[in-house]
Amino acid sequence: DAGVIQSPRHEVTEMGQEVTLRCKPISGHNSLFWYRQTMMRGLELLIYFNNNVPIDDSGMPEDRFSAKMPNASFSTLKIQPSEPRDSAVYFCASSSGLQDYGYTFGSGTRLTVV
Amino acid sequence: GESVGLHLPTLSVQEGDNSIINCAYSNSASDYFIWYKQESGKGPQFIIDIRSNMDKRQGQRVTVLLNKTVKHLSLQIAATQPGDSAVYFCAENTLYNNNDMRFGAGTRLTVKP
Repeated sequence: DAGVIQSPRHEVTEMGQEVTLRCKPISGHNSLFWYRQTMMRGLELLIYFNNNVPIDDSGMPEDRFSAKMPNASFSTLKIQPSEPRDSAVYFCASSSGLQDYGYTFGSGTRLTVV
Repeated sequence: GESVGLHLPTLSVQEGDNSIINCAYSNSASDYFIWYKQESGKGPQFIIDIRSNMDKRQGQRVTVLLNKTVKHLSLQIAATQPGDSAVYFCAENTLYNNNDMRFGAGTRLTVKP
């Protein structure tokens, strides 16, 4: 398996523009997580899905952020409109739903909003 | 609120020495703990885990120790190598909800040649 695949690896956009981050989880994993990592706040859980259904989005900063998982092999995180304070590395992770072995993370998308 | 925290934000060791990275947790309900390694430009990578019914678990060059009495977790790396330089995170989870993984702030380990 190629692991969790995220795209793009880097994104630079202007304030006010829409940004869409993409994730392909590991096949067979039924839980998917979106994290944001910054120097100030570390790793923050934004939202997670179980069997494609959003379960907890309490970590989503505000209404500008939205996430979807239309099927078991694809998820998106959208920011509209983007702001400079959204600049961070966004990670997607997936899990089999079993307690052992934790989460498998993708390589992340580094977002810079100018 | 309850959280996972680290004692030391940075650690510098000489190549070949042993490294010890510490982590404090406060949620007594947590029963599964994981150490992750994050290299520059990459996502966190699973290193080793331990359940709360164990005090110690060994892997290849790594050992995790769990002290539930004082809610303390440590990662020991034997014969530290330059490739071990990274940020290390501890994370905790609970039996009833595998989707409640919480991460500590991280410790940066630098290995000097």
